[in-house]
Amino acid sequence: GAGVSQTPSNKVTEKGKYVELRCDPISGHTALYWYRQSLGQGPEFLIYFQGTGAADDSGLPNDRFFAVRPEGSVSTLKIQRTERGDSAVYLCASSLVGGAGETQYFGPGTRLLVL
Amino acid sequence: AQSVTQLDSQVPVFEEAPVELRCNYSSSVSVYLFWYVQYPNQGLQLLLKYLSGSTLVKGINGFEAEFNKSQTSFHLRKPSVHISDTAEYFCAGGRGHDYKLSFGAGTTVTVRA
Repeated sequence: GAGVSQTPSNKVTEKGKYVELRCDPISGHTALYWYRQSLGQGPEFLIYFQGTGAADDSGLPNDRFFAVRPEGSVSTLKIQRTERGDSAVYLCASSLVGGAGETQYFGPGTRLLVL
Repeated sequence: AQSVTQLDSQVPVFEEAPVELRCNYSSSVSVYLFWYVQYPNQGLQLLLKYLSGSTLVKGINGFEAEFNKSQTSFHLRKPSVHISDTAEYFCAGGRGHDYKLSFGAGTTVTVRA
């Protein structure tokens, strides 16, 4: 079956602009996660959704970052007033129910470059 | 939160030679651990995971890892590598009821003929 998909695959924007990154999880997966991977580092947790609600947004770096999942499937990560430091690969993952130790399936990521 | 450290940033290895990638974690309480592989321009793919039980975990593509509680380690091994094993490898962990993963910085494996 289809895996996790993310669009766009690459996004170039200017400092101060607004961007939206989209994630389509595996069909039937109720849990969805966003991570951010900076150059030379491992992914860092941003936010976790269980269904439509954000169960844990403790990893969001500041209030410029926001994510939604209105129908419990597709999720959008929104970044306002982008800064050069936001440049990174944004990864989305999904899992069946969101339990501890459950396998998270990752998408290919969106590479964001803020000029 | 679980903290994970990968001890080698780069590991060059010749084809058909064995390889070991080292990973240490910070807590021994209700820990669970993963190894993921990232091929160029692809997403992270699960190689194997440890939740409980047998400390020797076998994964895909001939990889295995051993959970060592006394040394707080979860090293990944493969007895004979192929050119196609060239990739970046990430160790990740979580603790207790925590669903979010903490990742190491990654180890780049380059297999040469």
